[in-house]
Amino acid sequence: AQSVAQPEDQVNVAEGNPLTVKCTYSVSGNPYLFWYVQYPNRGLQFLLKYITGDNLVKGSYGFEAEFNKSQTSFHLKKPSALVSDSALYFCAVRGSRGSYIPTFGRGTSLIVHP
Amino acid sequence: DTAVSQTPKYLVTQMGNDKSIKCEQNLGHDTMYWYKQDSKKFLKIMFSYNNKELIINETVPNRFSPKSPDKAHLNLHINSLELGDSAVYFCASSLLGEGSGANVLTFGAGSRLTVL
Repeated sequence: AQSVAQPEDQVNVAEGNPLTVKCTYSVSGNPYLFWYVQYPNRGLQFLLKYITGDNLVKGSYGFEAEFNKSQTSFHLKKPSALVSDSALYFCAVRGSRGSYIPTFGRGTSLIVHP
Repeated sequence: DTAVSQTPKYLVTQMGNDKSIKCEQNLGHDTMYWYKQDSKKFLKIMFSYNNKELIINETVPNRFSPKSPDKAHLNLHINSLELGDSAVYFCASSLLGEGSGANVLTFGAGSRLTVL
């Protein structure tokens, strides 16, 4: 079975400061890892993914994430937060073996204060 | 030109009624999904449909049934609606495989179902 954990319900950060949203996972085989963002009353939008290659993945809106195999983590980061980054962030995972259907974490609400 | 479109966006109905939510994708994807997002924002897979193979989450009540007339459509039918069915339902699609865009889900805007 595959699972993903986002340990923080909410992350608060001041505008201009770096932000990190945490994600850890468990899968069979190699992980396919994803981050999605959901703005209020909208569907989820894809931010970035890791399947193979460099451990540091760059995505939309200046976000990046680092794949750490030993810690089974895929934390989302941004060097300088914007108020407009405030949204709900979901980490998702599927394994190279087993179901192709991704499992989503519970979501982390990011609040960026002016 | 909307990639994944769901209708209706809002649906308010009485307990016991039967309703449908339609989903269409124009991305040429081979796989479609229905997710349920509850009031705590948790996303739970309900169904997935790929190459005529339907995968059902065993926890989904059999009052819920997906219907796929073709690869571009995956509609959701719900019989005998209950209060607990109130949620936002998201349709999504993806292309399975090894390409650069593969495995990424594109979501619709959601359909908010309220059962009174």
